[in-house]
Amino acid sequence: SQKIEQNSEALNIQEGKTATLTCNYTNYSPAYLQWYRQDPGRGPVFLLLIRENEKEKRKERLKVTFDTTLKQSLFHITASQPADSATYLCALLSGYSTLTFGKGTMLLVSP
Amino acid sequence: EAGVTQFPSHSVIEKGQTVTLRCDPISGHDNLYWYRRVMGKEIKFLLHFVKESKQDESGMPNNRFLAERTGGTYSTLKVQPAELEDSGVYFCASRPGQGGTGELFFGEGSRLTVL
Repeated sequence: SQKIEQNSEALNIQEGKTATLTCNYTNYSPAYLQWYRQDPGRGPVFLLLIRENEKEKRKERLKVTFDTTLKQSLFHITASQPADSATYLCALLSGYSTLTFGKGTMLLVSP
Repeated sequence: EAGVTQFPSHSVIEKGQTVTLRCDPISGHDNLYWYRRVMGKEIKFLLHFVKESKQDESGMPNNRFLAERTGGTYSTLKVQPAELEDSGVYFCASRPGQGGTGELFFGEGSRLTVL
């Protein structure tokens, strides 16, 4: 069956360090993969999209990699700040135009 | 530009009652999606409208759920009769019809509590 797996445990890091979140998937061949941020009580907010033929994408302090052989995406936040604390969701295109989400990983950045 | 708006933000009803959730997508967005997050689980797809037509309703749990998008603008999701397991946060999302990056614009969600 199709699965999207993200670290279920919260990731705690210190301000200024790089946070790395993992998204693994099975039985998908996604044309692209997206990352979203979700704050408590709010809806998800789009951050980045990476296509299957792209290895890496950057946006300001964010970097996403996509390895279709390993079936894995890594999401990095460099020089992390307490304001980066949130839940980060990985999402894959499945079907015609439907996004399927992972459970998300909570990131806590301590000052 | 206004974002996706959802109403109500929170609804508490008793088992067996009916609830209607409303979503106003971003103006001009042909694609409208409903998702649901049950506590402790991932956000799950319910259905997808393209304008007023249902493109994909494979995620709808059962026939107690009815979604409409008359005129291709706002959408409603009705749960009748509500059961305990319907509790969760219902998210609406929209995106333009053509082009774009495929990103979804989400509303803040409607939290449904069924007692």
